[in-house]
Amino acid sequence: GNSVTQMEGPVTLSEEAFLTINCTYTATGYPSLFWYVQYPGEGLQLLLKATKADDKGSNKGFEATYRKETTSFHLEKGSVQVSDSAVYFCALFRPGNEKLTFGTGTRLTIIP
Amino acid sequence: EAGVAQSPRYKIIEKRQSVAFWCNPISGHATLYWYQQILGQGPKLLIQFQNNGVVDDSQLPKDRFSAERLKGVDSTLKIQPAKLEDSAVYLCASSLVGGSWFDTEAFFGQGTRLTVV
Repeated sequence: GNSVTQMEGPVTLSEEAFLTINCTYTATGYPSLFWYVQYPGEGLQLLLKATKADDKGSNKGFEATYRKETTSFHLEKGSVQVSDSAVYFCALFRPGNEKLTFGTGTRLTIIP
Repeated sequence: EAGVAQSPRYKIIEKRQSVAFWCNPISGHATLYWYQQILGQGPKLLIQFQNNGVVDDSQLPKDRFSAERLKGVDSTLKIQPAKLEDSAVYLCASSLVGGSWFDTEAFFGQGTRLTVV
């Protein structure tokens, strides 16, 4: 079945540090891949997505590239801010079963 | 535009009691989802509606959980009787078209945090 494996957290970084949160997936066919973010006290929000191999999703300085050869969708940001502190979820959607499968989430804390 | 509204935000009940959660999706959104998010885990789909019909309830524990979406708008999720392992955040989400995450976005509410003691 479909599954998503995320980097274990929590992750603590200093402001302006480089961020990578690893995500790998298992799926048949050609899934779409997503990163969702959950800020403290708020609901899940779509951060970025990629729908086919080699696509790059980007938003708010975050980027992730859909790598079919390594079945990965790692989230990166060149210079994090305190306001990026949140829980990040990698997710997979496989057309056909119409379900969004989430990873376990990675809690990110940025310290000034 | 107004977001997905959920209530209550927090609920504490004793095991074997019943509880109900309410969700008001974004106006015009045909598809509504209920997810269960246990601490330290990603959200798990419980049930998906399109308008007022059920599209997928394969992971809903039907012996104790029930959900309805009257008139294709608001939805309620009920647990009766609750167990300790039901402690989680219950998230409601809605999307504009028929459940295709590929070409649309789902919007999530803030969730209801349930604690069963």
